[in-house]
Amino acid sequence: GAVVSQHPSRVICKSGTSVKIECRSLDFQATTMFWYRQFPKQSLMLMATSNEGSKATYEQGVEKDKFLINHASLTLSTLTVTSAHPEDSSFYICSASLGTGGYEQYFGPGTRLTVT
Amino acid sequence: ILNVEQSPQSLHVQEGDSTNFTCSFPSSNFYALHWYRWETAKSPEALFVMTLNGDEKKKGRISATLNTKEGYSYLYIKGSQPEDSATYLCAFETGANNLFFGTGTRLTVIP
Repeated sequence: GAVVSQHPSRVICKSGTSVKIECRSLDFQATTMFWYRQFPKQSLMLMATSNEGSKATYEQGVEKDKFLINHASLTLSTLTVTSAHPEDSSFYICSASLGTGGYEQYFGPGTRLTVT
Repeated sequence: ILNVEQSPQSLHVQEGDSTNFTCSFPSSNFYALHWYRWETAKSPEALFVMTLNGDEKKKGRISATLNTKEGYSYLYIKGSQPEDSATYLCAFETGANNLFFGTGTRLTVIP
């Protein structure tokens, strides 16, 4: 089956610093990757859709200058949380799909970000 | 933000029991309904993607049904086993892979 890795699994950083999270599709090429976050006791919420070689599409309310997404290759997308603040502490998880519309998504294991 | 509701929030069953849970979603702008199984510390695993009203899908002891007109899907597990313990997520897709997730049903199977 399709495997997606995510690194790091857990990160603690100080307020004001930036954190980069990597999402890799290990055994397939993903033209589209997705970034979600989940706050405690809430559902997974889509932050942005990342397309290889083009700018990411951000969901309403997600600051594109704060959450920088780069999808430089068909197997790697990165999410950088810039100038992190405690309210950015959350669980971030990526997924990749083999196609558009009605295709299952393959998820990474997620990254727990804590900003102190 | 679309409202996708799952019930119950959590469930404890004895090994060998059969169980089912519900996912409710809007009946308009429907493209697909996804079910995922999410074990602690692992990646969510895709179970089913259903697109047609009346769809029924099965994978081993797990099956799912879909009613797009009334906006609900059921997930059934027959003869629950401890390894079925996980959070089961449903997600409503409006097209182009835009998924709106429910908060999940946390299943615990007691040996």
